[in-house]
Amino acid sequence: AQSVTQPDIHITVSEGASLELRCNYSYGATPYLFWYVQSPGQGLQLLLKYFSGDTLVQGIKGFEAEFKRSQSSFNLRKPSVHWSDAAEYFCAVSMDSSYKLIFGSGTRLLVRP
Amino acid sequence: EAGVAQSPRYKIIEKRQSVAFWCNPISGHATLYWYQQILGQGPKLLIQFQNNGVVDDSQLPKDRFSAERLKGVDSTLKIQPAKLEDSAVYLCASSLPGGNAEAFFGQGTRLTVV
Repeated sequence: AQSVTQPDIHITVSEGASLELRCNYSYGATPYLFWYVQSPGQGLQLLLKYFSGDTLVQGIKGFEAEFKRSQSSFNLRKPSVHWSDAAEYFCAVSMDSSYKLIFGSGTRLLVRP
Repeated sequence: EAGVAQSPRYKIIEKRQSVAFWCNPISGHATLYWYQQILGQGPKLLIQFQNNGVVDDSQLPKDRFSAERLKGVDSTLKIQPAKLEDSAVYLCASSLPGGNAEAFFGQGTRLTVV
């Protein structure tokens, strides 16, 4: 069965520091990959997605992610974190290009001033 | 453009009571999803509609959960009777038909069963 692992439950970074959130998936083929952000009391917002092609994907709010097939990973990165980035981040996969998604358990990002 | 609307935002009920959630998708979005998000976990898909037909309800606990999407627009999700473990946020999402169409999520309904 497909699964998504986000090994870090919480991450704390200082404002202006770089960020990397880890995501590993288990799936027999190359899935479709997504990163979402969820702020308190808000719905999920899509940051970026990978369907095919260039393995480095650019998203909104200055985020990017890199698909590494050999490591079954899709890590999210940002070069300089802003206080407003504090939120929960979810990695998700889909077997097809629909949004019938399997989510990881999330990583909560805290930003130190 | 209006987003996905859900109501109520919060609901507290006693176990064994029934409850219903409502979702109004973005206009023109044929595909609608209901997800359940338990505290500390990622969302889990309960059911997917394409217009008013069910595409996937494999993870819907059908002994107590039901969902409908009459006329292919609004949708309701019902729980009867509720259990303590149903306490969660219920998220609705919608998308245009076809592959690659981004799904947009509502703010969710937070259900507490006491």
